[in-house]
Amino acid sequence: AQKITQTQPGMFVQEKEAVTLDCTYDTSDQSYGLFWYKQPSSGEMIFLIYQGSYDEQNATEGRYSLNFQKARKSANLVISASQLGDSAMYFCAMREGWGTNAGKSTFGDGTTLTVKP
Amino acid sequence: DAGITQSPRYKITETGRQVTLMCHQTWSHSYMFWYRQDLGHGLRLIYYSAAADITDKGEVPDGYVVSRSKTENFPLTLESATRSQTSVYFCASSESSGIRYEQYFGPGTRLTVT
Repeated sequence: AQKITQTQPGMFVQEKEAVTLDCTYDTSDQSYGLFWYKQPSSGEMIFLIYQGSYDEQNATEGRYSLNFQKARKSANLVISASQLGDSAMYFCAMREGWGTNAGKSTFGDGTTLTVKP
Repeated sequence: DAGITQSPRYKITETGRQVTLMCHQTWSHSYMFWYRQDLGHGLRLIYYSAAADITDKGEVPDGYVVSRSKTENFPLTLESATRSQTSVYFCASSESSGIRYEQYFGPGTRLTVT
């Protein structure tokens, strides 16, 4: 079964500094997608960034980048130049690509990020 | 309204009652999902659907029933609500089963079972 592990329940970062949120995953599939979502205190879920298992380059979206290390099964989110609005809960998720569970997603327990002014 | 909507947004019900949470999306996405999020935790998949009339169990399906007669609707029914089903329920949709397709989430339904 797929599993996502986020080992940091809470993180603090100073405004304008960079922060890395850890995510490790476990799967026997060769084809999978890795996602990060943000959940502000208002509760909505916002998609941030995607990395495919066959992608050779790390994904980037503005201030977000994904440090993908396939051999170590890690997909860490890096947020550069943190802003107060980045304070939220962040979830790592994985989506299966093939077989009977194609399309199914698994989420980690999340990391709460607090940006200090 | 365009997008994905859930109703009701808040619901209080008593133990043993049946309650149905509604989910509607306007994109004609083939995939739809139901998750529950317990306080301070991540999302756990209850059921998902690849298309109309095709549904499958997720991680925590016990006590829940789903149906999908139309592509745009994916209701979730708690047959006999229990206190352990107090949670925030999120519906989501995705264009395809492809690994690159992100999920779009509804605003959530906060359910309290007393």
